[in-house]
Amino acid sequence: QKEVEQNSGPLSVPEGAIASLNCTYSDRGSQSFFWYRQYSGKSPELIMFIYSNGDKEDGRFTAQLNKASQYVSLLIRDSQPSDSATYLCAVNKNPNLSGYALNFGKGTSLLVTP
Amino acid sequence: GAGVSQSPSNKVTEKGKDVELRCDPISGHTALYWYRQSLGQGLEFLIYFQGNSAPDKSGLPSDRFSAERTGGSVSTLTIQRTQQEDSAVYLCASSLRAGGTQPQHFGDGTRLSIL
Repeated sequence: QKEVEQNSGPLSVPEGAIASLNCTYSDRGSQSFFWYRQYSGKSPELIMFIYSNGDKEDGRFTAQLNKASQYVSLLIRDSQPSDSATYLCAVNKNPNLSGYALNFGKGTSLLVTP
Repeated sequence: GAGVSQSPSNKVTEKGKDVELRCDPISGHTALYWYRQSLGQGLEFLIYFQGNSAPDKSGLPSDRFSAERTGGSVSTLTIQRTQQEDSAVYLCASSLRAGGTQPQHFGDGTRLSIL
């Protein structure tokens, strides 16, 4: 089982709709969860991070975490064509085992159509 | 500097040569991480530094790979006797300090191509 799993997509949504990106992880000791956006040929850019169960909102973005289900999601409201990118879910490694490096999923490709 | 700086941005070299990749973290960031991203693969952790020490080297794929950090700042990743499978984008990230709650900020990466 991969440590961090994401649907590769592409996920296609019309402009103005809500895009829902999902991620599951296997290590119950994980404590911190990050969403990065990566445009083609560019480096990952941090969008949001979440540590506690529940929702965290930042502008058009909402991160949701459910540790019991080992599930984290990212909602993008009022999607814009400029949101078209690959979204990477990252989970910190269990710090008791291996420090603070991140395990990344392979990313979900999002396409927002005008 | 304002962000994580990596050099060179692109490197093309012949199989069997050694290469050095450089990372200059955000000023004041004590933790530094190296990852690589191969075509079709996710980001793969290589090594992380807290200050000048490397508590976690578990991601280095072979003994051809090594890294050091001096002065708690600049880090160099060295790949000896490069192989074609080493072709990837090598990304460096830094965070204010090591910790599960500390976001990591990435540089633009070095695209390494082994001929």
